Amino acid sequence: GAGVSQSPSNKVTEKGKDVELRCDPISGHTALYWYRQSLGQGLEFLIYFQGNSAPDKSGLPSDRFSAERTGGSVSTLTIQRTQQEDSAVYLCASSLRGEGTEAFFGQGTRLTVV
Amino acid sequence: LAKTTQPISMDSYEGQEVNITCSHNNIATNDYITWYQQFPSQGPRFIIQGYKTKVTNEVASLFIPADRKSSTLSLPRVSLSDTAVYYCLVGPRGNNDMRFGAGTRLTVKP
Repeated sequence: GAGVSQSPSNKVTEKGKDVELRCDPISGHTALYWYRQSLGQGLEFLIYFQGNSAPDKSGLPSDRFSAERTGGSVSTLTIQRTQQEDSAVYLCASSLRGEGTEAFFGQGTRLTVV
Repeated sequence: LAKTTQPISMDSYEGQEVNITCSHNNIATNDYITWYQQFPSQGPRFIIQGYKTKVTNEVASLFIPADRKSSTLSLPRVSLSDTAVYYCLVGPRGNNDMRFGAGTRLTVKP
């Protein structure tokens, strides 16, 4: 597709379960970001991948959160043992490094932990 | 990365020009200033980017004074559909480490 694709668009899970959120960036984009946005709040940076470099994980809120990017393309954000405070919209973005800082965002995954 | 400060919220009326100022006192020589717009239930989208003086595109203008310690996003003749959160980011071009602040919530009233 032409844009950043995220799946699922909505996810309801029970407290304590693990969830995986997927992001398909724009083809050829070397940079990929994950953000979390709680209702009415700003974007909270989680993690940043740039090419083959080690990811910047400094925004991950706890060790229950992890992310990987396979083959420099698709990324998966995993939340283990979900808690109610993990409920939020998780946004993914990608950009083409060296071409300015314009990033393109997906529509997000709305996660609800019940 | 340079820290930015923006007003939390602003109100305007349809047809007015809206100016949102962002302060970035410790901006570095190789930093660019970028603005994003986020509508409810959507991811942010790029509006405009500049380094100095003035940049204009079909959506907005960006004014950057000579000392570059602040910048102003100008939206001409806003409509109800311009109601959104506007984020100012400062960082080196090509360095894609993007951390958003709280942004400015603009509400356009009829």
